[in-house]
Amino acid sequence: KAGVTQTPRYLIKTRGQQVTLSCSPISGHRSVSWYQQTPGQGLQFLFEYFSETQRNKGNFPGRFSGRQFSNSRSEMNVSTLELGDSALYLCASSLGTGGPTYEQYFGPGTRLTVT
Amino acid sequence: AQSVTQPDIHITVSEGASLELRCNYSYGATPYLFWYVQSPGQGLQLLLKYFSGDTLVQGIKGFEAEFKRSQSSFNLRKPSVHWSDAAEYFCAVGAVVGGSQGNLIFGKGTKLSVKP
Repeated sequence: KAGVTQTPRYLIKTRGQQVTLSCSPISGHRSVSWYQQTPGQGLQFLFEYFSETQRNKGNFPGRFSGRQFSNSRSEMNVSTLELGDSALYLCASSLGTGGPTYEQYFGPGTRLTVT
Repeated sequence: AQSVTQPDIHITVSEGASLELRCNYSYGATPYLFWYVQSPGQGLQLLLKYFSGDTLVQGIKGFEAEFKRSQSSFNLRKPSVHWSDAAEYFCAVGAVVGGSQGNLIFGKGTKLSVKP
């Protein structure tokens, strides 16, 4: 099975712009979660989507949003970028139901740099 | 609130030596526990997981971890470290939110360096 794929792998944006990141989960996985990783804050949960519905959300401002499509692919969007949004954004997929669905498989991440 | 603590920020071991990375969690119920490894510039790779049952779990790459409820710990071990094990290791607990899957709460990570 192919793993989780994320595009693009690297991105440079200017403060104030917006950005969209994409994630394709493992085939058969219906849940996609997004995490932000920074040296200072570590790995922080952004949100989780299951069957096109946001099921859980972390403590991030409304500038961070996401969606999931019927094929389970997911996108996250960050509007009005700030310097502090520079981070590695990781997507993880899992089955989405039952205990073992906590077993999340991560993509390689998108490295976002805001200048 | 659920939390994960990895007390050691950086550990250096000699190649061939044994390894133990510490992880303590705070969670009200029986937790789902995980160890992930991250190489520089890469995503996270799942090493092993604990859901229930046998408290000693085996993972990939020769790693194992032991769940100790009384100590709220889930330490990662490897009997003989290889140079390729140099990476950052993250312990995580699966949190339940409103009865649904929730999300993973990660520790801050332990960076492992391996001396030749």
